[in-house]
Amino acid sequence: DADVTQTPRNRITKTGKRIMLECSQTKGHDRMYWYRQDPGLGLRLIYYSFDVKDINKGEISDGYSVSRQAQAKFSLSLESAIPNQTALYFCATSDLWGNTGELFFGEGSRLTVL
Amino acid sequence: AQSVTQPDIHITVSEGASLELRCNYSYGATPYLFWYVQSPGQGLQLLLKYFSGDTLVQGIKGFEAEFKRSQSSFNLRKPSVHWSDAAEYFCAVGAWNNDMRFGAGTRLTVKP
Repeated sequence: DADVTQTPRNRITKTGKRIMLECSQTKGHDRMYWYRQDPGLGLRLIYYSFDVKDINKGEISDGYSVSRQAQAKFSLSLESAIPNQTALYFCATSDLWGNTGELFFGEGSRLTVL
Repeated sequence: AQSVTQPDIHITVSEGASLELRCNYSYGATPYLFWYVQSPGQGLQLLLKYFSGDTLVQGIKGFEAEFKRSQSSFNLRKPSVHWSDAAEYFCAVGAWNNDMRFGAGTRLTVKP
């Protein structure tokens, strides 16, 4: 099983619908992140969380919200999806107390908003 | 906040030729620097990282990168490219208590 699991892997929805992307990890890491990837723009940070009580906005948080339900779970919500939120979304984790800072990525969730 | 620039959107090299992918960063303190690779339809995998010490770092799959503080650069190199290296490559900069920022990526095509 993957260390960082994202569900769903693919989702097609309509404008105005509420969407939740879920992420769970078995690495025991404190830090979790949500990125979106768009062609030519690379990965842009949406939100990040350094522990269960800590939530921080990233570069492009407008239109998104997150919930850190537990150390191992970090969900991304689109309250009212719009077409320009069509993208590939990645969840990632890293170890707060380690000395690597390396991010471990899930396999991505492809979201299409019609 | 820190930022990363990858000047080359797309690079094509012949199999067996050498490769250099450019990365420039902006950050006020000593950065943690990373190169990730994304194969088609896959997530990102770490190639190598720099935190401190020797400025030439070795990674997986025969890649290496050199940190040049004076140029704010962390270029990725490989002496001989293989067809399986075709992918998208991302440079990233982060810090111990900060988020990580990625460049826009460089797509590598390998000609037979």
